Amino acid sequence: DTAVSQTPKYLVTQMGNDKSIKCEQNLGHDTMYWYKQDSKKFLKIMFSYNNKELIINETVPNRFSPKSPDKAHLNLHINSLELGDSAVYFCASSQGMVRQPQHFGDGTRLSIL
Amino acid sequence: DQQVKQNSPSLSVQEGRISILNCDYTNSMFDYFLWYKKYPAEGPTFLISISSIKDKNEDGRFTVFLNKSAKHLSLHIVPSQPGDSAVYFCAASAQGSNYKLTFGKGTLLTVNP
Repeated sequence: DTAVSQTPKYLVTQMGNDKSIKCEQNLGHDTMYWYKQDSKKFLKIMFSYNNKELIINETVPNRFSPKSPDKAHLNLHINSLELGDSAVYFCASSQGMVRQPQHFGDGTRLSIL
Repeated sequence: DQQVKQNSPSLSVQEGRISILNCDYTNSMFDYFLWYKKYPAEGPTFLISISSIKDKNEDGRFTVFLNKSAKHLSLHIVPSQPGDSAVYFCAASAQGSNYKLTFGKGTLLTVNP
């Protein structure tokens, strides 16, 4: 009964490839997020969707494209992967538009060879 | 530009004693603060939060103190237990920011038996 689940947990691929990370939440939340934790350990917001509408889009290369087919899912597609994309990507969800804590998945560790 | 700073990368405490984790922020628009705990290979787990209208919030062994004039908050854990050993992240959000969380770099707490 995992609340926020991400797949895959580990992703090893080569530069230039295209890959996707999937996220699903069963908490009934209407807002979902993608964060990146880089080698310096900072967790930084990338995107946020509320009711399938993009509401936060930080300065992220347009090779990154989030897609929210419904409120319970937020996927992240990355084109033309680069070495600097190596990081741990976390998905999170919350009941948006109110001050509620975000609930995180266990992360996807992306390694670019 | 670190708006949320956790200046101690690590802290070691004896079991049963108090753990005090500190966090400073620079953005005066922040009005909601959270602490998350993170174990290796897992996502951050929400611990406790505080709104800027309060200066203290308590939940069991965890207490968060907010000093708005100093732009400083702290997390007290009493008594500390070995299971509390984890990385603790401070996070903040500002009104009107679409609830975007800005995280500190984290403090590794080790509670020794």
